[in-house]
Amino acid sequence: QKEVEQNSGPLSVPEGAIASLNCTYSDRGSQSFFWYRQYSGKSPELIMFIYSNGDKEDGRFTAQLNKASQYVSLLIRDSQPSDSATYLCAGQTNDYKLSFGAGTTVTVRA
Amino acid sequence: GAGVSQSPSNKVTEKGKDVELRCDPISGHTALYWYRQRLGQGLEFLIYFQGNSAPDKSGLPSDRFSAERTGESVSTLTIQRTQQEDSAVYLCASSPRTGEASIVNEKLFFGSGTQLSVL
Repeated sequence: QKEVEQNSGPLSVPEGAIASLNCTYSDRGSQSFFWYRQYSGKSPELIMFIYSNGDKEDGRFTAQLNKASQYVSLLIRDSQPSDSATYLCAGQTNDYKLSFGAGTTVTVRA
Repeated sequence: GAGVSQSPSNKVTEKGKDVELRCDPISGHTALYWYRQRLGQGLEFLIYFQGNSAPDKSGLPSDRFSAERTGESVSTLTIQRTQQEDSAVYLCASSPRTGEASIVNEKLFFGSGTQLSVL
């Protein structure tokens, strides 16, 4: 079993809609979780991190963490074509190592 | 420099040859990671360096892979006797972590990667 699993997608949403991305993790020792965005042919860039149960909002992005269910999600509100990318979920344990999921590709239709 | 720098950006080699990939982290970043990303796949952890501590090599796929880092500066990833399955983008990332208080804040800054093609 992979340490971090993501819904495989691809996910296609119309412009202005909400894109919902999900991630589960197997290591209960994971403390922090990160969402990276990767445009095609580019390197990943950090968009959000969360380490407390509940929601964390940053602009159009909301990260949600439920440690009891070992579940992390990312919501993108008012999706724009520029949000079209692959979104990578990562979990971090005490040994600092980040484990990444395989990514979910999002396409926002204009 | 302003960001993580990797070289070469592209490397084409013949099966069986050795290759060396270089990473210059952001100045002052103590943590450095190497990841591999195959086409259409997620990031596969290879190795992690933190300051002068022993590196975490748990992700290296075989003894053909090795990496070094001098202090908190440049790192090199060496792949000996390359195989076609080694073809991938090799990404380096650094982090400005300064102490345990930052454990919840391991923000990685990635380089542009080296596209390795083994023919």
